Amino acid sequence: AQKITQTQPGMFVQEKEAVTLDCTYDTSDPSYGLFWYKQPSSGEMIFLIYQGSYDQQNATEGRYSLNFQKARKSANLVISASQLGDSAMYFCAMRPPGAGSYQLTFGKGTKLSVIP
Amino acid sequence: DSGVTQTPKHLITATGQRVTLRCSPRSGDLSVYWYQQSLDQGLQFLIQYYNGEERAKGNILERFSAQQFPDLHSELNLSSLELGDSALYFCASSVGGKGYTDTQYFGPGTRLTVL
Repeated sequence: AQKITQTQPGMFVQEKEAVTLDCTYDTSDPSYGLFWYKQPSSGEMIFLIYQGSYDQQNATEGRYSLNFQKARKSANLVISASQLGDSAMYFCAMRPPGAGSYQLTFGKGTKLSVIP
Repeated sequence: DSGVTQTPKHLITATGQRVTLRCSPRSGDLSVYWYQQSLDQGLQFLIQYYNGEERAKGNILERFSAQQFPDLHSELNLSSLELGDSALYFCASSVGGKGYTDTQYFGPGTRLTVL
């Protein structure tokens, strides 16, 4: 079974600084997708970034980038130039391949607070 | 805005009652997923439909059922409600058929409170 671990329940970062949110995963499948979602206090889940297990380069989307280390089974999210609007819960999720295994498995999340 | 719509946004009901949550996927998406988010269990996958057919089942209680209609909207039915069913219920959609690269986009959620 797949498992996602986010070891930081809460993080603080100064506005305009960069922050790294940790995510490690456990799977025996060679093929998988890794996703990060943001959940602001309003409740919606916003897709941020995707990394495939065979992707040669780390994914980037604007201020978001993934530090993907396949051998260590880690997919840390890096947010550059933090903004007050980045304050939210952040969830790492994994999707394995295979028929019937289409659901996402989520970590418990990290609450990020951006300090002005 | 993800393009996934969910109604209602809030629902307050009593124990023993039955409710229906509705979801409309993004235009062009064939897969619909339902997730439950509670404080103690976190985000849990309930069930997935692809083009009208049930594709995968997760930790869905027997009191819960779902379906996807020909127009691809989906409904999640929760019956004999208990206090522990209070949670945020998300619908997500994806194109489908893209394996592990298929990105799921979430709706705004329905917050269910059982009193």
